[in-house]
Amino acid sequence: GAVVSQHPSRVICKSGTSVKIECRSLDFQATTMFWYRQFPKQSLMLMATSNEGSKATYEQGVEKDKFLINHASLTLSTLTVTSAHPEDSSFYICSARAEYEQYFGPGTRLTVT
Amino acid sequence: GESVGLHLPTLSVQEGDNSIINCAYSNSASDYFIWYKQESGKGPQFIIDIRSNMDKRQGQRVTVLLNKTVKHLSLQIAATQPGDSAVYFCAENIAPGTGRRALTFGSGTRLQVQP
Repeated sequence: GAVVSQHPSRVICKSGTSVKIECRSLDFQATTMFWYRQFPKQSLMLMATSNEGSKATYEQGVEKDKFLINHASLTLSTLTVTSAHPEDSSFYICSARAEYEQYFGPGTRLTVT
Repeated sequence: GESVGLHLPTLSVQEGDNSIINCAYSNSASDYFIWYKQESGKGPQFIIDIRSNMDKRQGQRVTVLLNKTVKHLSLQIAATQPGDSAVYFCAENIAPGTGRRALTFGSGTRLQVQP
């Protein structure tokens, strides 16, 4: 149980375009979902926390107008990278919380050319 | 700011040896700690957790030790196997009155198992 999926697993886009990444909790309901970003050979850095039906809370330094988060249901959160630039290329990992446990998705590799 | 850090960026061990990965945390309010394993191109995989009211917890081939006095956490892997090669992260969490925040991750240690 407690499986979190992400789609797509890999995406390549051109600079200036927008990309949407989906995160789903497959067998449980998640009132809270988290989005992390991981650059090569670095740790996971929290970008934002989203609660179902309310606005996401962004960490300091993360632009909320660039990284749009929608948590419309208890099983789905989306991250949209708007006007992507090469420096946005990274590994994006979502996480969903059930009770006190936090479960992680497999990640999405974004490459902006 | 508050952070969770690691002493060694890379640890190389021989297959069959025991591995010890260390982590120092700075927030004395942390009450829940987790070790994750991350293979290349994949999300973090839960290994073992420990709460602050414990100082040791054992799983299958893994043991986590918590020393709250010096704010130190370690992961011991017995009889290390090639499949254990990965990056290992410790993560900490705090339970404020209004609910848990997101996990905060340390900088990671790469474990290389030599055959």
